[in-house]
Amino acid sequence: DVKVTQSSRYLVKRTGEKVFLECVQDMDHENMFWYRQDPGLGLRLIYFSYDVKMKEKGDIPEGYSVSREKKERFSLILESASTNQTSMYLCASTPRVPTGYEQYFGPGTRLTVT
Amino acid sequence: GEDVEQSLFLSVREGDSSVINCTYTDSSSTYLYWYKQEPGAGLQLLTYIFSNMDMKQDQRLTVLLNKKDKHLSLRIADTQTGDSAIYFCVTNGNTGKLIFGQGTTLQVKP
Repeated sequence: DVKVTQSSRYLVKRTGEKVFLECVQDMDHENMFWYRQDPGLGLRLIYFSYDVKMKEKGDIPEGYSVSREKKERFSLILESASTNQTSMYLCASTPRVPTGYEQYFGPGTRLTVT
Repeated sequence: GEDVEQSLFLSVREGDSSVINCTYTDSSSTYLYWYKQEPGAGLQLLTYIFSNMDMKQDQRLTVLLNKKDKHLSLRIADTQTGDSAIYFCVTNGNTGKLIFGQGTTLQVKP
């Protein structure tokens, strides 16, 4: 069974802390994505990566960075967490040329910054 | 920029049909998707339609695509309480990026 896993389902951090969210996929997909989901706003793309060591800014990259050292792993980093980064974070992966059903999401990490 | 719009809320009675509508701006989308998110769960691909199709039917689900008006709809026949979820209309550009609508919360009343 194909899978995208995320390191934590729930996370509580303090303002100013450095936060790492990890995502691992076992489908040998080239593309990986980080989104945040907020009520009434849908999913907004933070960063994505087309290949190892490559990254592209999405629609809302401010306050975030990413790392892709291995094909299967894509990390989202909050350098100094702030309360407005309290959200649900979703990771996804697709093959280089997405077709049909081949798009997979992780279960999400609900991050609370206090 | 690319945009996908959907209404935020729909309430139906169990057994009725539900129709969730969506409009989008990116005419280059090759696939258009409906994702379902149940409470406390991740996103699950429900169905999709290729851009050269007008309609796709899959059991209780019917997807209609009007490319001229850039309008996509999802019809759920005989809606059940288990269909209560958030439904996202999603398009893709040729770079593999997904563009999500805001999500429509479907409430099914018994």
